[in-house]
Amino acid sequence: QVQLQQSGAELVKPGTSVKLSCKASGYTFTSNHMNWIKQTTGQGLEWIGIINPGSGGTSYNVKFKGKATLTVDKSSSTAFMQLSSLTPEDSAVYYCARGFGSFAYWGQGTLVTVSS
Amino acid sequence: DVVMTQTPVSLSVSLGGQVSISCRSSQSLVHNNGNTYLSWYLQKPGQSPQLLIYKVSNRFSGISDRFSGSGSGTDFTLKISRVEPDDLGVYYCGQGTQYPDTFGAGTKLELK
Repeated sequence: QVQLQQSGAELVKPGTSVKLSCKASGYTFTSNHMNWIKQTTGQGLEWIGIINPGSGGTSYNVKFKGKATLTVDKSSSTAFMQLSSLTPEDSAVYYCARGFGSFAYWGQGTLVTVSS
Repeated sequence: DVVMTQTPVSLSVSLGGQVSISCRSSQSLVHNNGNTYLSWYLQKPGQSPQLLIYKVSNRFSGISDRFSGSGSGTDFTLKISRVEPDDLGVYYCGQGTQYPDTFGAGTKLELK
């Protein structure tokens, strides 16, 4: 069965970076796009961007350009998202989600807390 | 960006009852390829969102036929019949026709 296993919660300081992971199993990793989505109480669900694991090609929400960088490691079927120059506004639950046009499978989410 | 407007913000329902949730987009969701990428998700407390309906009216694998989606262009509806306890949570519509993908603010379904 399709599973997306995300890395654990992070407590990070303002101005630093963090790299989240999403390990895929149960399907051919390179055959399906992977998305990253941010959820906060105030802003709801926000789509950050998408990566084609086969080609490495990416598209980003303009709002997150310069903030998020999406990559993959095909050898381990793992997608990554690096968030840089963190501020308290980046505190959120971040999901990876498989799909294109809709999101059929979601990871369990990673809570990122930015605090000094 | 395409703005997705969901109504109502919350709904109270009795078990066994029927409810409808509306979702309107600020632009047509018909893609150049002819598909309409409008989806519905349910987020139960403490869980990740789960896909219910994709491309307006297609139920995802394992989703009960008590859930049905309809609509076209900019106006869409999710109907839930014979509501069960496991249906409670927050429902979101989302569009994937135009980048960036966007979501509605959610509709909370509660027991009356």
